[in-house]
Amino acid sequence: GAGVSQSPSNKVTEKGKDVELRCDPISGHTALYWYRQSLGQGLEFLIYFQGNSAPDKSGLPSDRFSAERTGESVSTLTIQRTQQEDSAVYLCASSSLNNPYEQYFGPGTRLTVT
Amino acid sequence: TQLLEQSPQFLSIQEGENLTVYCNSSSVFSSLQWYRQEPGEGPVLLVTVVTGGEVKKLKRLTFQFGDARKDSSLHITAAQPGDTGLYLCAGADTGKLIFGQGTTLQVKP
Repeated sequence: GAGVSQSPSNKVTEKGKDVELRCDPISGHTALYWYRQSLGQGLEFLIYFQGNSAPDKSGLPSDRFSAERTGESVSTLTIQRTQQEDSAVYLCASSSLNNPYEQYFGPGTRLTVT
Repeated sequence: TQLLEQSPQFLSIQEGENLTVYCNSSSVFSSLQWYRQEPGEGPVLLVTVVTGGEVKKLKRLTFQFGDARKDSSLHITAAQPGDTGLYLCAGADTGKLIFGQGTTLQVKP
């Protein structure tokens, strides 16, 4: 079946602009996660959804970051007034209710803020 | 805050050599995952270990979970150029994963 998809794959934006990143999870996966990865580094947790509620938003770096999810489907991560330090690869993952820690990742969105 | 320390951070070896990557923490994890990531792609799950002392094998890769469930290791036997990539360990933490900083492995032909 289809894996996790993310769009766009690359995004270049000017400092101060808003951006929206999209994630389509694996069909039937109830949990959805957003992570951020700097060049060659490990992943930094941002937020996760169980259905359309977000039990843990503790990783969001500032109030410029927000995310929403429609039911058990698509999620969007929005970054307002982007800063250069927001440049990174944003990865989305999903998992089933039975195996929440076996997460399946999308290819990521590479965000560059100039 | 739970942390996972991976070592080494970078490893460059010749084809055919063996290697071990370590993932250590002062915290206990209910499970630990190993992922492999290639450039431009998302991490791909290799294995999940759950029980202290557990050993799992995946072809030439051997994964071990420490008895106290605070550490893990990944051993690769006779490394191949196709093993090149970023290896990440991740521990389960109340609904999310905590990742180590990764080990970049380069296997030269």
